[in-house]
Amino acid sequence: DTEVTQTPKHLVMGMTNKKSLKCEQHMGHRAMYWYKQKAKKPPELMFVYSYEKLSINESVPSRFSPECPNSSLLNLHLHALQPEDSALYLCASSQDSSYRAGELFFGEGSRLTVL
Amino acid sequence: AQRVTQPEKLLSVFKGAPVELKCNYSYSGSPELFWYVQYSRQRLQLLLRHISRESIKGFTADLNKGETSFHLKKPFAQEEDSAMYYCALRRGGSEKLVFGKGTKLTVNP
Repeated sequence: DTEVTQTPKHLVMGMTNKKSLKCEQHMGHRAMYWYKQKAKKPPELMFVYSYEKLSINESVPSRFSPECPNSSLLNLHLHALQPEDSALYLCASSQDSSYRAGELFFGEGSRLTVL
Repeated sequence: AQRVTQPEKLLSVFKGAPVELKCNYSYSGSPELFWYVQYSRQRLQLLLRHISRESIKGFTADLNKGETSFHLKKPFAQEEDSAMYYCALRRGGSEKLVFGKGTKLTVNP
């Protein structure tokens, strides 16, 4: 299995809702990433987990809460989001966060709409 | 701070013509450079890494440290090359990959 799988593919939520995005990979990768991509813009890094520990938080608002339950899973918990948070959220993995760290495997993304 | 510049938002060529997608970077150390591609309705995927000096799908890219460039080239473009191309840079030892704004390549029949 050489894929990163993200669920759900689409999510619509209100500003008071709590929801989660999920990401899974079974390639034995030890680094996992969350990126945010707005329409016609490049991906922007949000978080990096390395060996299940949070190693980078790019000053993301606390309404986004990442979690890495094990080396294969990555979650992004969403609470009290704003309409401007509507975007495509991409999960990615790499072998680890140093060796071949630039070689990312991306999921198809979860398209989030905040009403 | 590292920065990646792709000067062309859109690039249109005819099938069989050569194509060059430009990428310039600013970083004082030794960077790692990559090209990523996103075909229509497909996920973002790695196309090339500068350290491997390989040719993928007929594309090559050479790191020019003097000109701080990593341009992507293909001698004869094909219609299936139409896609969004992102140049990306990783600072040595960093977990962070910084993307350029991307160039949308259209290859016309």
